[in-house]
Order: sequence, then structure tokens, then C-alpha cells
Amino acid sequence: EPEVTQTPSHQVTQMGQEVILRCVPISNHLYFYWYRQILGQKVEFLVSFYNNEISEKSEIFDDQFSVERPDGSNFTLKIRSTKLEDSAMYFCASIIGTGTIGNTIYFGEGSWLTVV
Amino acid sequence: ILNVEQSPQSLHVQEGDSTNFTCSFPSSNFYALHWYRWETAKSPEALFVMTLNGDEKKKGRISATLNTKEGYSYLYIKGSQPEDSATYLCASITGGGNKLTFGTGTQLKVEL
Repeated sequence: EPEVTQTPSHQVTQMGQEVILRCVPISNHLYFYWYRQILGQKVEFLVSFYNNEISEKSEIFDDQFSVERPDGSNFTLKIRSTKLEDSAMYFCASIIGTGTIGNTIYFGEGSWLTVV
Repeated sequence: ILNVEQSPQSLHVQEGDSTNFTCSFPSSNFYALHWYRWETAKSPEALFVMTLNGDEKKKGRISATLNTKEGYSYLYIKGSQPEDSATYLCASITGGGNKLTFGTGTQLKVEL
């Protein structure tokens, strides 16, 4: 079965450093997401991306965050200057089309980010 | 209901028991309800996507129902097995957007 892949699986970074999390969505999917889960809390939406631009973003997704699809296969999340509270599991997800009604959203295994 | 809520938070059952969990979600501007099964260190596995009031879906021993008018969904597992041990997440889409709003999950442990 096709899958969403994410790298790295785990990264430890110093506070204030830049981090890039990478995702390879399912190849024929057009709509991409980043979600995160802080330990002990709900999985929460960060951003959705379609047609090379942000479709929707949450309040969490401030100027420290950016997303990019640099080469037609990868989808990246950049955190410019990490804070302790950015420590979380970050999930990439993709869906085949623009409408999510009735369609399955597929998730990657997650990238666990620890900011120290 | 403003948020997506799940109950119970955790559940321990014996092998062979049948069990069910509840997901409550905002009923206004409802679009879809997703159920996922999530094992540690793996990606959340999509179980069901439900959109219509009264929907019932089944996948092996797992089934789900949907009531969009009152804003709840039940997930049932018949004859639980140790491999069913996982966290079961529900997430709703409302308001014409395309983002999932997740519940806290129900952590199921099936013991021999």
C-alpha cells in the first residue's frame, strides 16, 4: 500500500536553531498537511498546502514556520528558530484531491522533535 | 459540543471481549468523521471515513456508526485480540474547511 514517508524519525536540536522536517507524500496526491502532537495533548492542525501555496493555517503556524514543496516530490516544514514548546511529534499527511469529503487522509509515521 | 471528545480515555479488556468507544463532535456544519488506529512508532492507520447520518461501516471485526444530528460516532470491536491494542483516534471536519480536528483518543489494551 502506498505510504507517506517522513524524515528524520527523531531529531534533537538546540533552542534557537533551524529545523527542517521532510515528507514524501503519496505520489498522486495533491493536498498536503502538517499536524503535530505535543506529548499528552491532542493532535493539532498546523497547515494545509495545495497547488504550491498554503490553503489554510492555524494560529500555531506563525512566522517561525514555513512550508515548501521544493521539487515536486518532497514537502517540507521549516521551523526557523526553535523554542522549547516546539518539542512535539510532527505528522505529515496527504490526500488525493482538493476535497476531503469521503476521501482518506494518509499520515506518515511522524518526526519526533526535541528542543533542548 | 465545541470540541471533539472521546471516551473512555483508556480501556483494558480481555481477549475475546467486545468493546466500544464514543466520539462526540460538533454537529453543526458537519462534513466528515474519520477514525484512525494508531500504534506507537507507526503511522495512524485510516479505518473509516464517514459522511452521512446513519452511516455504518465495517472492516473485519471493527465497525462504526455515525449520528450527525446529535454529533456522535461509535466504534465497535468484536472479539478483541491483543493485536487490537492501540490508540483509536477520531477526527471531524466541519465548516467547509479541510482540516481534521482530533479527539484525545481512546487507548485500548487487550490482555490475554
